[in-house]
Amino acid sequence: DQQVKQNSPSLSVQEGRISILNCDYTNSMFDYFLWYKKYPAEGPTFLISISSIKDKNEDGRFTVFLNKSAKHLSLHIVPSQPGDSAVYFCAASARNAGNMLTFGGGTRLMVKP
Amino acid sequence: GAVVSQHPSWVICKSGTSVKIECRSLDFQATTMFWYRQFPKQSLMLMATSNEGSKATYEQGVEKDKFLINHASLTLSTLTVTSAHPEDSSFYICSARDGGQGSYEQYFGPGTRLTVT
Repeated sequence: DQQVKQNSPSLSVQEGRISILNCDYTNSMFDYFLWYKKYPAEGPTFLISISSIKDKNEDGRFTVFLNKSAKHLSLHIVPSQPGDSAVYFCAASARNAGNMLTFGGGTRLMVKP
Repeated sequence: GAVVSQHPSWVICKSGTSVKIECRSLDFQATTMFWYRQFPKQSLMLMATSNEGSKATYEQGVEKDKFLINHASLTLSTLTVTSAHPEDSSFYICSARDGGQGSYEQYFGPGTRLTVT
């Protein structure tokens, strides 16, 4: 049973436009959510996170939105740049589970110049 | 800060041999390290959680006798793939958590690509 799902395996966006990556989860015990960016043959790089007590967190071009009632979070990148092309993983964590991360399947973002 | 290194970055070995992969936290002490495996175009699958000075906790379906994990110090964890077979070929990634269980963020190493011939 996948507790964290990224239903879009890929997304293509024009440079300068907004990229919206979505993530859904099923475990109501998750209380912290993270987004990671990954290039091929490299380890994931932490991008941005959000606690369940918030509904929005912003860091430069990256904003994460959390809708707890819908068990849904999204990552907005604006404006998108070609260098943003990578695979993005959302991850969720629960304090009562030792804060281990459960990853979604990833979404491959392609930003076209 | 929060840099994690892995060595080697890639390795090719013959079937039946053992391979050791090292994971080091370079600028922080990691009481907990994690080992993941990623198959092509798939997500990261947690293999085991490694706590310094104690036995690793393996996820269901991961053979502990095949994937030996040692976390001897606060900055080093090793994964040894014993008697490797071609189906063990994969991308192995470690991560380290800075601090105790109160910390959520994990910092990932660059990964090790293992090819078993």
